[in-house]
Amino acid sequence: NAGVIQTPRHKVTGKGQEATLWCEPISGHSAVFWYRQTIVQGLEFLTYFRNQAPIDDSGMPKERFSAQMPNQSHSTLKIQSTQPQDSAVYLCASSLDWGGWNTLYFGAGTRLSVL
Amino acid sequence: GQQVQQSPSSLVLQEGENAELQCNFSSTATQLQWFYQSPGGSLVSLLSNPSGTKHTGRLTSTTVTKERRSSLHISSSQTTDSGTYLCAIEGAGAKLTFGGGTRLTVRP
Repeated sequence: NAGVIQTPRHKVTGKGQEATLWCEPISGHSAVFWYRQTIVQGLEFLTYFRNQAPIDDSGMPKERFSAQMPNQSHSTLKIQSTQPQDSAVYLCASSLDWGGWNTLYFGAGTRLSVL
Repeated sequence: GQQVQQSPSSLVLQEGENAELQCNFSSTATQLQWFYQSPGGSLVSLLSNPSGTKHTGRLTSTTVTKERRSSLHISSSQTTDSGTYLCAIEGAGAKLTFGGGTRLTVRP
């Protein structure tokens, strides 16, 4: 079990470019979450999927952020027209099922830097 | 929305001393979890404790739901305990709201 795998570990984009972040959850886990971490805001919820279906995207900036889970083995977070304020560590996590009593396993994160 | 406040924001200890971390939250939580984040590392779940007292290894968490507070006690701290400890609550739905964390430094 390699844990939750996130790629790339680091990504640098120019302002206005697109960034796609990848997440491979732990095999067999039905819940996949995306969080964002910055020094100023801390850890913020973005969105989550259950059995590949989007359940709650209330934390997603609507206009430029989108997330998909085309199959049970990976999820993507796409940011269009990146802005400097999008710079953060983006964390993916998975759990066996949804609900806080399930242990949440986080990936190492993707550090996005927008110049 | 839900708010989670952690104190202290930072704590420095000598190895062997005990640590007491506090977490206060603004609304009813159906679940409360403590996480550890090593410097530059991933988040690791330490324990879930929505109410009462729970022990694991050198960690003891006590959550008083009515008072909307939880504590994490680390006994006999070690240098490897250094890092950031985060409290998170789950309200409605499965998403977690995190506190700002307590940065713990344990000196040899």
